[in-house]
Amino acid sequence: DADVTQTPRNRITKTGKRIMLECSQTKGHDRMYWYRQDPGLGLQLIYYSFDVKDINKGEISDGYSVSRQAQAKFSLSLESAIPNQTALYFCATRQGSYGYTFGSGTRLTVV
Amino acid sequence: LAKTTQPISMDSYEGQEVNITCSHNNIATNDYITWYQQFPSQGPRFIIQGYKTKVTNEVASLFIPADRKSSTLSLPRVSLSDTAVYYCLVGDMRHYGQNFVFGPGTRLSVLP
Repeated sequence: DADVTQTPRNRITKTGKRIMLECSQTKGHDRMYWYRQDPGLGLQLIYYSFDVKDINKGEISDGYSVSRQAQAKFSLSLESAIPNQTALYFCATRQGSYGYTFGSGTRLTVV
Repeated sequence: LAKTTQPISMDSYEGQEVNITCSHNNIATNDYITWYQQFPSQGPRFIIQGYKTKVTNEVASLFIPADRKSSTLSLPRVSLSDTAVYYCLVGDMRHYGQNFVFGPGTRLSVLP
């Protein structure tokens, strides 16, 4: 099993729908992150969490919300999806000096 | 966090050595240089980290001059499967107050 698992891998949804992307990890790391990547660009930080009781906004949090249900689970929700939220979404954990472990990504299309 | 500058894209041919340089003029004393690799439709993955001089692993080498204001990622004898985006990050990964920026990176295209 992968260290960081994201579900679903692909999702097509309609404008205005609420959608949740899920992330779970088996690494036992405290720190978890959600990133968004648009084609040809780098990764933009949406939200991050240092533990279950700690949630922080990243650089592009508008239109998104998160829930840290347990140390191992960190979910990202789009309250009312819009087409410009079409992107590749990555969950990551981080601990120690080597940094980040990323999931395989969720490709979201909003039509 | 130290600002980094790296080329947006590079082309190479199979079997060649590829060197990607990252500039980080305002690197701090406690900062390390860490490189990540991202294949299409996958998350970035750690490939190498260094503080000074030279570091080598099974994937790449990292050269850091004495002034540490730049670093060079070296990929020996690249193959088509090395086509990816390479990100240079500078900072102290142990410092969780730092959120590292994965900018556009360097898009390496390996041609047959």
